[in-house]
Amino acid sequence: EVQLVQSGEEVKKPGESLKISCKGSGYNFNDYWIAWVRQMPGKGLEWMGIIYPGDSDTRYSPSFQGQVTISADKSTTTADLQWTSLKASDTAMYYCARRFCFGTPCSSFWFDPWGQGTLVTVSS
Amino acid sequence: SYVLTQPPSVSVAPGQTARITCAGNDIGGKSVHWYQQKPGQAPVLVIYNDSDRPSGIPERFSGSNYGNTATLTIRRVEAGDEADYYCQVWYISSDHFFVFGAGTQVTVL
Repeated sequence: EVQLVQSGEEVKKPGESLKISCKGSGYNFNDYWIAWVRQMPGKGLEWMGIIYPGDSDTRYSPSFQGQVTISADKSTTTADLQWTSLKASDTAMYYCARRFCFGTPCSSFWFDPWGQGTLVTVSS
Repeated sequence: SYVLTQPPSVSVAPGQTARITCAGNDIGGKSVHWYQQKPGQAPVLVIYNDSDRPSGIPERFSGSNYGNTATLTIRRVEAGDEADYYCQVWYISSDHFFVFGAGTQVTVL
């Protein structure tokens, strides 16, 4: 079974650093891009960025460029999302999701499956 | 940037048909994907490539995409279909973007 399992809930103070993780299993982790998606309280889904674990090629949404860092470790089949200095506005649920593509070359992309989510709360 | 517009809410009686729209400039020229998110749960893919259903998704869920509007249709609505539904496309400008609609809350009366 293809699964993405995320690390647990985090409660942090403003200015602190944080890394959350997403472990893939049941498929060849190196061959599929992994995306990160933010969902602020009561709001919709926002694509943050995406990484190809095979060579660590990474793309960011302009809204999140410079705000977070996405990385991946092939040996542990884990993708990470990290912050160096959290803000209260980073309080949200964060999901990882595997990207699927269709066509040769790929011309259609969707996300399946999704991790269960990691709730990050930043409060003084 | 590319904007997808969804109605904030749709209400439907059990057994009836719910239609959730996703509007975007020439969206018919793109592939649209739909996700269902129940309260407290992660999103789940229910339609990909405009109208294909992943395994395990009931046939009651269908999709279409033409012109400037894509539509997710849920027939014979059940109480368990109550959720937020998001459309998503892939958009290329100066880079690659994944765009989500703002979501539609489906309420089963």
